[in-house]
Amino acid sequence: DAKTTQPNSMESNEEEPVHLPCNHSTISGTDYIHWYRQLPSQGPEYVIHGLTSNVNNRMASLAIAEDRKSSTLILHRATLRDAAVYYCILRDRAGRRALTFGSGTRLQVQP
Amino acid sequence: NAGVTQTPKFRILKIGQSMTLQCTQDMNHNYMYWYRQDPGMGLKLIYYSVGAGITDKGEVPNGYNVSRSTTEDFPLRLELAAPSQTSVYFCASSQKGRGGTNEKLFFGSGTQLSVL
Repeated sequence: DAKTTQPNSMESNEEEPVHLPCNHSTISGTDYIHWYRQLPSQGPEYVIHGLTSNVNNRMASLAIAEDRKSSTLILHRATLRDAAVYYCILRDRAGRRALTFGSGTRLQVQP
Repeated sequence: NAGVTQTPKFRILKIGQSMTLQCTQDMNHNYMYWYRQDPGMGLKLIYYSVGAGITDKGEVPNGYNVSRSTTEDFPLRLELAAPSQTSVYFCASSQKGRGGTNEKLFFGSGTQLSVL
């Protein structure tokens, strides 16, 4: 199965941009890159996903390296409510349809 | 719009007891999943289903059983509860995307289970 590597934790200041990195050097050509976040005491929630091109939505932007071996989730202006664990996820092995979560990056946002 | 609903929210079991965690979704999603999350850890996939009547094992299926008789419901059964099954359990659903890929998962609020 393709794996992802993320830093265990990161800190940011409120209203500053945050760049959350993810390495996925064994990604296959058809794997989508998904990002989810989990607020304290809640289930994970979808943030964004992409295949090759950079993607934007109201929550964040996803920048995907040209070789697709890494990606970066960008929060343009961090708020205190963005403090959460962020998961970078690839599809499970080819042919399966379930997402496998790693341990993620715990983002702390300072006021 | 209810989304994914899990019951109960909390439960304490004695070793060897059995129980069923209920999960229902009202979005007509094909795919449903059960994950468990141990303290301070990420989520691990227990079982998943791509449609009514079809289920498959995930990373950690031992000690659990599932069934999918309807599109809406995906109950998780613990037959002989063990302390190692103390965890938070999340149910999720998603709709099939283009080319067979999943699109976004919707999660329930979780069931906190303690086995003593």
